Amino acid sequence: GIQVEQSPPDLILQEGANSTLRCNFSDSVNNLQWFHQNPWGQLINLFYIPSGTKQNGRLSATTVATERYSLLYISSSQTTDSGVYFCAVELAAGNKLTFGGGTRVLVKP
Amino acid sequence: DTGVSQNPRHKITKRGQNVTFRCDPISEHNRLYWYRQTLGQGPEFLTYFQNEAQLEKSRLLSDRFSAERPKGSFSTLEIQRTEQGDSAMYLCASSLTGRVEQYFGPGTRLTVT
Repeated sequence: GIQVEQSPPDLILQEGANSTLRCNFSDSVNNLQWFHQNPWGQLINLFYIPSGTKQNGRLSATTVATERYSLLYISSSQTTDSGVYFCAVELAAGNKLTFGGGTRVLVKP
Repeated sequence: DTGVSQNPRHKITKRGQNVTFRCDPISEHNRLYWYRQTLGQGPEFLTYFQNEAQLEKSRLLSDRFSAERPKGSFSTLEIQRTEQGDSAMYLCASSLTGRVEQYFGPGTRLTVT
């Protein structure tokens, strides 16, 4: 099956810092989503981004499908950005998502 | 659009007991998915439905697990004869045909003692 690897596994930031999270995947995908899992376990949709670049406030994401990776940028980090960030990919429309292992982010005040 | 809801949010049960979880998808979403997440890991796919038809099941879904979506709306996931290894967060997601983006519910956290 498809492999999804995220790096780094852990990230500690000072409030206000910028950071980049990476997701590598082993095959062509139809769907790529970034999620933020809050401390209560809720997965919050950040981006649906099978290719190209999108921005939403302080967050942006870029997927280079031909090179099989995606990047999530967090700018001017805040303590509320803490949590686990997951990348998930889907091989065919309407099928299952395969998740990476996540990047655990802690933003210190 | 009230989002995906799951009940109960937490369940503590003794080994050997049966448990059932419910998922209500976003209205008009005809695809419904179940995932399981253990501590420190990403969610793993269990099964998915299109309307009332169960179209795929993971090898993780042993014969003690059964999922239904009888009217193509809400779904239930039952675990029979629970084991300590079943302790996990059970997540439900839904999506609309033609739109691949999946939306997740808050999950049901199961603890088997």
